[in-house]
Amino acid sequence: DAGITQSPRHKVTETGTPVTLRCHQTENHRYMYWYRQDPGHGLRLIHYSYGVKDTDKGEVSDGYSVSRSKTEDFLLTLESATSSQTSVYFCAIGGGDRGGEQFFGPGTRLTVL
Amino acid sequence: KNEVEQSPQNLTAQEGEFITINCSYSVGISALHWLQQHPGGGIVSLFMLSSGKKKHGRLIATINIQEKHSSLHITASHPRDSAVYICAVRVSGSRLTFGEGTQLTVNP
Repeated sequence: DAGITQSPRHKVTETGTPVTLRCHQTENHRYMYWYRQDPGHGLRLIHYSYGVKDTDKGEVSDGYSVSRSKTEDFLLTLESATSSQTSVYFCAIGGGDRGGEQFFGPGTRLTVL
Repeated sequence: KNEVEQSPQNLTAQEGEFITINCSYSVGISALHWLQQHPGGGIVSLFMLSSGKKKHGRLIATINIQEKHSSLHITASHPRDSAVYICAVRVSGSRLTFGEGTQLTVNP
C-alpha cells in the first residue's frame, strides 16, 4: 500500500469554525490531490498540488484553501466551515501530467453542525 | 449530465455469477481508471487502461475508445467482491473525472 495517511480520521465541528485536514505521504510523489465524496456525486476534486508551493483549483474549490510547504504534506483548510462542507474527504497521490494511477488515503469524515 | 455515466447504479448477484459493470463517457480521454471502494471506505485502484483489455485474477476491464465505453467484468463472483466500483476518466493533465459508482452486493 502507498504510504498515505490522513488526520484526523473523524471530526465534528461547528459552523463558522476553521478546520484543517492533513495528508501525509511517504512516497515522495510530486502530485497530491484533495477530493470530497458525497452521496449522489462522484469524487470531486477540490484542489491539487504539482509540487512544493505549487497548487491549483479543482471543480469545487470555493470555501477551501490548501498549502504545501513540504513534499510529504498537503493541508486542506476550511476557513469558516459550513454545513454544506459536511463530507468525506480523500487525499490522493500519483497521477501527474503523464497520467498514472492515483493512490488514495483512508479518508476523513467531517461533520459540520 | 455527468461526463462519466455508470450503469447499473446498484447490482445484486448470487455467488458465482458473472458480473458486468458499464461506464460511458462523453469526451475524448487519454486513460480510464477502475477503482474499488471497500465497505470500510478505502479506495484502491484496480485498472488503468487506454485501449484493449486488461486482466487481473477474476477481474477483466475492457475499453472501446471509438464507442467511448468501458466494462468491468467479474468472473465467479464472491461475497468479498461486494463493494462500490468507480469509473474515472483522464481527459488531459492530471485531473480525473469520476462516475458516481456502482454498488455491487454478492450474496452467498
